Amino acid sequence: AQRVTQPEKLLSVFKGAPVELKCNYSYSGSPELFWYVQYSRQRLQLLLRHISRESIKGFTADLNKGETSFHLKKPFAQEEDSAMYYCALTASGGSYIPTFGRGTSLIVHP
Amino acid sequence: EPEVTQTPSHQVTQMGQEVILRCVPISNHLYFYWYRQILGQKVEFLVSFYNNEISEKSEIFDDQFSVERPDGSNFTLKIRSTKLEDSAMYFCASTDSRGLFFGSGTQLSVL
Repeated sequence: AQRVTQPEKLLSVFKGAPVELKCNYSYSGSPELFWYVQYSRQRLQLLLRHISRESIKGFTADLNKGETSFHLKKPFAQEEDSAMYYCALTASGGSYIPTFGRGTSLIVHP
Repeated sequence: EPEVTQTPSHQVTQMGQEVILRCVPISNHLYFYWYRQILGQKVEFLVSFYNNEISEKSEIFDDQFSVERPDGSNFTLKIRSTKLEDSAMYFCASTDSRGLFFGSGTQLSVL
């Protein structure tokens, strides 16, 4: 069975501070990992996926298979980054059904 | 950019009533999904749909739930006899290779 754990329900930082939203996963095979974001009163939207190895809105995430982690990082948080962030996992080669973590609410104070 | 659209945005119903939540996935996507999110809890998978049939469903998706693609564009979720615990935000999603694209959700309130 696959599981995604986001240990922090809430993360509160000041503008300009570094941010790291933690995500750990449990899956015996080779996973695909994603981060989704939900801004206030907006829909869930894909932020980034590990296989793209891209940086979106200054955020990056590296898949660490040894630690089974996919932490989301940004060196300098902005107020507009305040949102709910969900880590998700899909089993590669299987049915494309992402399993979501419970989410972390990021609040960036001015 | 194309979007997944959901209607209505809010639905209030009495316990025991049937509700139908509607979704229009992105036109060239082939996989469709329903997820729900109870207030304060995580996003939960309900069902996936491919090639005009259910491909997978969770234990939440019991006999009270059904999905249908009645025409080439709509994808509906029906709850036959709603219960209080069905109150949640219901998200429709469709996918291409880049990941899931979500609708803005339908907030279902069962009284």
